[in-house]
Amino acid sequence: EVQLVESGGGLVQPGGSLRVSCAASGFTFSTYSMNWVRQAPGKGLEWVSYISSGSSTIYYADSVKGRFTISRDNAKNSLYLQMNSLRAEDTAVYYCARDYFDGSGRKRTDHWGQGTLVTVSS
Amino acid sequence: DIQMTQSPSSLSASVGDRVTITCQASQDISNYLTWYQQKPGKAPKVLIYDASSLEAGVPSRFSGSGSGTDFTFTISSLQPEDVATYYCQQYDNLPRTFGQGTRLEIK
Repeated sequence: EVQLVESGGGLVQPGGSLRVSCAASGFTFSTYSMNWVRQAPGKGLEWVSYISSGSSTIYYADSVKGRFTISRDNAKNSLYLQMNSLRAEDTAVYYCARDYFDGSGRKRTDHWGQGTLVTVSS
Repeated sequence: DIQMTQSPSSLSASVGDRVTITCQASQDISNYLTWYQQKPGKAPKVLIYDASSLEAGVPSRFSGSGSGTDFTFTISSLQPEDVATYYCQQYDNLPRTFGQGTRLEIK
């Protein structure tokens, strides 16, 4: 069974830093691209970042570019999001999400973790 | 970036009703569209992918159609457990943009 378990959320002051993690199990992590998606309280879903299976391709939403860094450790089956220069508007539940690719077309997201809450407040 | 316009933003219907939600992309995305269901406090769950393919284990009352820029999500007979917020997402290009969501309630 595919499992994605996020951790590392919490309360951080504006301008501060935080790293959230996602532990993957139940599949060969090193062969799947991954994403971070966030959801502010009471709001919709916002895609944040993408990393390919071997970390060669990385993308960010404009709202976090230059402040957030996505990375992965395939030996540890883990995905990370380093968040610096945090702002109040970064307050959200952060989900990690796996991509699936059947060999044709495009990769699509098929499994999500349960999320970890990041609160940016003084 | 591709903009996804989803409507309506909220919907109230009776048990047994047919419910339809639409999603319009700002450019051609072929059939690269997923429909998600999200219940309060839970992660989104895939219902439909490739615009019209039903995810394994999802009840057949859920369906999707469309290609290019115009897409439709339908619940053929609304059940009480379908109360949730529904989102469309395109995966033709990064960033993988979402619709604004449709909050579905039982009348």
